[in-house]
Amino acid sequence: AQRVTQPEKLLSVFKGAPVELKCNYSYSGSPELFWYVQYSRQRLQLLLRHISRESIKGFTADLNKGETSFHLKKPFAQEEDSAMYYCALRPSGTYKYIFGTGTRLKVLA
Amino acid sequence: NAGVTQTPKFQVLKTGQSMTLQCAQDMNHEYMSWYRQDPGMGLRLIHYSVGAGITDQGEVPNGYNVSRSTTEDFPLRLLSAAPSQTSVYFCASSATSNGEQYFGPGTRLTVT
Repeated sequence: AQRVTQPEKLLSVFKGAPVELKCNYSYSGSPELFWYVQYSRQRLQLLLRHISRESIKGFTADLNKGETSFHLKKPFAQEEDSAMYYCALRPSGTYKYIFGTGTRLKVLA
Repeated sequence: NAGVTQTPKFQVLKTGQSMTLQCAQDMNHEYMSWYRQDPGMGLRLIHYSVGAGITDQGEVPNGYNVSRSTTEDFPLRLLSAAPSQTSVYFCASSATSNGEQYFGPGTRLTVT
């Protein structure tokens, strides 16, 4: 079955500490993976996608097909990074996105 | 551009009532989706559309109907509301199937 797993409901880190939000997926084909973020009182928005291989707001994510993972990383967390983060998978040839359950990141001063 | 708009923002229904959640976008996007967001369950796809006149079921379609008569609008109908449909509903659109999804502000629905 196609599935996206985000094992941590809540991740708390101190400002300046490294951050890693975990995402594992289950999909037999070639996946397209995304990270979406929802800041307080804002709409859900795209943070980055694996095909772009870009860094947004200091965040990066590398697709590891061997480990079926797409972890989101940032070397130095900032207070404004506090938000809800969702990993999402789009199976090839469909528009049926599958979202993980989300991880709330709290960056402490 | 207003982007993706949803109405109403809040709604309380009694069990058995029907209603339509409205979603509109002004970006000429072909692809649109409806999701529900429940605590601990993330976003789950209800229905989606890949163009006017074309809709399909997502992960949790039961109890919901959709139609796509125009590119701009994608209403979600609750046929006979149940307490299990208490949730926050999000509409989203994108220009391409793998493009960025733009989300609406959400509708918080409570069914008593």
